[in-house]
Amino acid sequence: DAKTTQPTSMDCAEGRAANLPCNHSTISGNEYVYWYRQIHSQGPQYIIHGLKNNETNEMASLIITEDRKSSTLILPHATLRDTAVYYCIVRVRRVTGNQFYFGTGTSLTVIP
Amino acid sequence: GAVVSQHPSRVICKSGTSVKIECRSLDFQATTMFWYRQFPKQSLMLMATSNEGSKATYEQGVEKDKFLINHASLTLSTLTVTSAHPEDSSFYICSVSQGATDTQYFGPGTRLTVL
Repeated sequence: DAKTTQPTSMDCAEGRAANLPCNHSTISGNEYVYWYRQIHSQGPQYIIHGLKNNETNEMASLIITEDRKSSTLILPHATLRDTAVYYCIVRVRRVTGNQFYFGTGTSLTVIP
Repeated sequence: GAVVSQHPSRVICKSGTSVKIECRSLDFQATTMFWYRQFPKQSLMLMATSNEGSKATYEQGVEKDKFLINHASLTLSTLTVTSAHPEDSSFYICSVSQGATDTQYFGPGTRLTVL
């Protein structure tokens, strides 16, 4: 199963772009990369996902390297409400369903 | 994405009692639901995959007789913690799988405290 590696914590100044890296060097060709975030004592919130092309939505952009071994989540203009733990996940295909295995995530602190 | 609710949001019970947690998909018929557990300052750990109309599939190390999962309809899955003990105190979160790429949408979680 593909595993992900993320920095434990990061700081970002309010209003600046937050770039959160993720390494998934053992990813298979048909496995998607997902990003979620979790604010304290809440369920994880979906942010974005992608397979091999870069993706953008109203929340963030996802940049996936050509070899798909790493990706970066970009929050273009970080606000204090973006302070959370960000999880990079590679979806695992199983007979019973496509499952997520969470790593330790990156704790992002947006500083005023 | 799918809207998921959980009930109750928090529960306190005595050791030895059983607790039922409900997970509802409010706007989507969910064939597959997932149950996770999260201890303080730790990441989410997948407990089981619940498929409507069939038995749940449990992750290694999760006791199926202790954590009973029922997914009797496309909008409701329940997790029952039987004979709860203080070490079962945790944050329990469910999710539903939706869309061609099986994106998961999570409920708000249930905080279980066993005294």
